[in-house]
Amino acid sequence: EVRLVESGGGLVQPGGSLRLSCAVSGFTVSSNYMSWLRQAPGRGLEWVSVLYSDGTMNYADSVKGRFIISRDNSKNTLYLQMNSLRAEDTAVYYCARWTAGLDYWGQGALVTVSS
Amino acid sequence: EIVLTQSPGTLSLSPGERATVSCRASQSVSNSYLAWYQQKPGQAPRLLIYGASSRATGIPDRFSGSGSGTDFSLTISSLEPEDFAVYYCQQYANSWTFGQGTKVEIK
Repeated sequence: EVRLVESGGGLVQPGGSLRLSCAVSGFTVSSNYMSWLRQAPGRGLEWVSVLYSDGTMNYADSVKGRFIISRDNSKNTLYLQMNSLRAEDTAVYYCARWTAGLDYWGQGALVTVSS
Repeated sequence: EIVLTQSPGTLSLSPGERATVSCRASQSVSNSYLAWYQQKPGQAPRLLIYGASSRATGIPDRFSGSGSGTDFSLTISSLEPEDFAVYYCQQYANSWTFGQGTKVEIK
C-alpha cells in the first residue's frame, strides 16, 4: 500500500524556519519525481517545488532562494526546508508523487506564519 | 507562465445531471499536458485525468476529459452524490500551474 505522511508543520514567526518531512512507503522516493504543493486557507492549489529522480530540482518563483527540497534515500523521505517565512506562506503543504499527473498525495501539513 | 482560467466558478446541479467544467489556457498547452483533480473538503486532491483525456487508475468512466491547444474540458456524465466537490485543472507543459477551481455543488 502506498502512503505519504507529512510532518513538521506548525506555527512559526515571520522570518523563521521550518522543515517539513514526507515519509513514503510503497514506492521508492529516489526513483520518482516528488513534489511539494500548497494550498492557502480557502484558496486553490499552488505548486512549490519538484525533485526529479536524477536529482534536479525546480522551484516556484514565490519560494526560490528561500525553500530547499531534498530527500534521504535511506529513510525514503522527502523534505522541504523553508526559510525566511512570510505570512503569505501560510498554507497546508502537500507532498505528492508525479508520474503522468500527481497520482499519490499525503494528507497535508498546516504551516502558519504569524507573530 | 501559462495561466489557466476555469469556468464556471460554481456549478449548481442535481444528482444524475451532466456536469461540464471548462479550462482555458493563456497559451497553447503542448502535447495536451493537462490534468484534472477532484478535491473534497479536508482531503488532498485526487487525480482524475492526465494527458487531457486519459483516466487515472480507478477513476469511473463517467469522468471524461477532452480538448487540446488552449481549450479543455472535464465532463461528468451523470453526477453521483460523491462527485460534489471542487475540480482543478493543471498544466504541466511549461512548469506547473493550476486553475482557480470550480465548485460543483448540489442544487
